[in-house]
Amino acid sequence: KAGVTQTPRYLIKTRGQQVTLSCSPISGHRSVSWYQQTPGQGLQFLFEYFSETQRNKGNFPGRFSGRQFSNSRSEMNVSTLELGDSALYLCASSYTGTGQAEQYFGPGTRLTVT
Amino acid sequence: GDSVTQMEGPVTLSEEAFLTINCTYTATGYPSLFWYVQYPGEGLQLLLKATKADDKGSNKGFEATYRKETTSFHLEKGSVQVSDSAVYFCALRLNNNDMRFGAGTRLTVKP
Repeated sequence: KAGVTQTPRYLIKTRGQQVTLSCSPISGHRSVSWYQQTPGQGLQFLFEYFSETQRNKGNFPGRFSGRQFSNSRSEMNVSTLELGDSALYLCASSYTGTGQAEQYFGPGTRLTVT
Repeated sequence: GDSVTQMEGPVTLSEEAFLTINCTYTATGYPSLFWYVQYPGEGLQLLLKATKADDKGSNKGFEATYRKETTSFHLEKGSVQVSDSAVYFCALRLNNNDMRFGAGTRLTVKP
């Protein structure tokens, strides 16, 4: 079974631009979560989608948004990029989306904002 | 609020040494607990998990026991290898699917 895939793997943008990251979950998984990983803040939860609905949201500004499609693929968008948005963005999928379900992580998208 | 605290690194051990990475949590409900491992340039891989008190998760020689009385989930391995060098994250997951991670502990194992 194929794992979680994220595209692109690396991205360089300039301040003020916007960016869209994509995540394809494991086949059959309906829950997709997004995380931001930085050396200073560690791993921080952005949001979670389940069956095309945002179910949970972390403490990030409205510049960070996402969506999920009917095939469970998810996209994350960051508008008006800031230098501090440089990070590794990780996507994780799980089957049921319950607290006990295992999350499987993709390799991440490394975003650099200059 | 709900959170995870794990011992600060980096941790440097010689091959075949005993490993303990401490992890304690604060949660209002009954979370599931996880250890993830991240190798350089990669995403996180689930190492082991425990979903209720007194459960022991184990995988690849690593073990951790869900201790509700001490709100802990310490990671242990009896004999580490060079290939175990990585960053280890303790995490809890609440029933609403919100997941909280510790800061990560970098382990370096020297031959």
